[in-house]
Amino acid sequence: QVQLQESGPGLVKPSQTLSLTCTVSGGSISSGDYYWGWIRQHPGKGLEWIGYIFDSGSTYYNPSLKSRVTISVNTSKNHFSLKLSSVTAADTAVYYCARVGTQIGDPNWFDPWGQGILVTVSS
Amino acid sequence: QSALTQPASVSGSPGQSITISCTGTSSDVGGYDFVSWYQQHPGKAPKLIIYEVSNRPSGVSNRFSGSKSGNTASLSISGLQAEDEADYYCSSYTSSSTLLLFGTGTKVTVL
Repeated sequence: QVQLQESGPGLVKPSQTLSLTCTVSGGSISSGDYYWGWIRQHPGKGLEWIGYIFDSGSTYYNPSLKSRVTISVNTSKNHFSLKLSSVTAADTAVYYCARVGTQIGDPNWFDPWGQGILVTVSS
Repeated sequence: QSALTQPASVSGSPGQSITISCTGTSSDVGGYDFVSWYQQHPGKAPKLIIYEVSNRPSGVSNRFSGSKSGNTASLSISGLQAEDEADYYCSSYTSSSTLLLFGTGTKVTVL
């Protein structure tokens, strides 16, 4: 079955760019049936959707983060990536990647999820 | 609307049934059948347990069921077990530019 795994630095300095990659195994990111998304969870808090990408490269971002977020896809490596610029301590969170189910092109559900990666923003 | 509203906590004894509510508006929960529910154990990633209001993914116990009435969706857990102790989040598509909303989360405690 499809599995996702996040990777990247666990510590980022303030004002720098957070960069994470999500590698998909057990299935092709180019299946055309799903979006591929990022979600984060601040320590002890709820879930916040960041954005998603389709295998064609089309993206949609949460308006609250849109100015700082870039999601890209590499179909040859079967992975997709997240970049979040100008980070502050408020961006410290566990970052998850997930496959996004759709219905008539609208995002619907997240499954499966990666195990998550804690990214701390600190000097 | 930045988040769907859930009760902070719900508790029950083993074998009992509990229900978690998820309240939104006609622009999200009430307007679309795109409500999903996630179970999250401490230190673990969320797991999809209900999608499109009432559908269970393969492998999810039939003790979990979902429904919707108006602007409120509900997750019911029957025959409560110790392993059900976790945080539960709802999610819904929204017609606003946000596109997706998560609930505030509910901590389920098995007494």
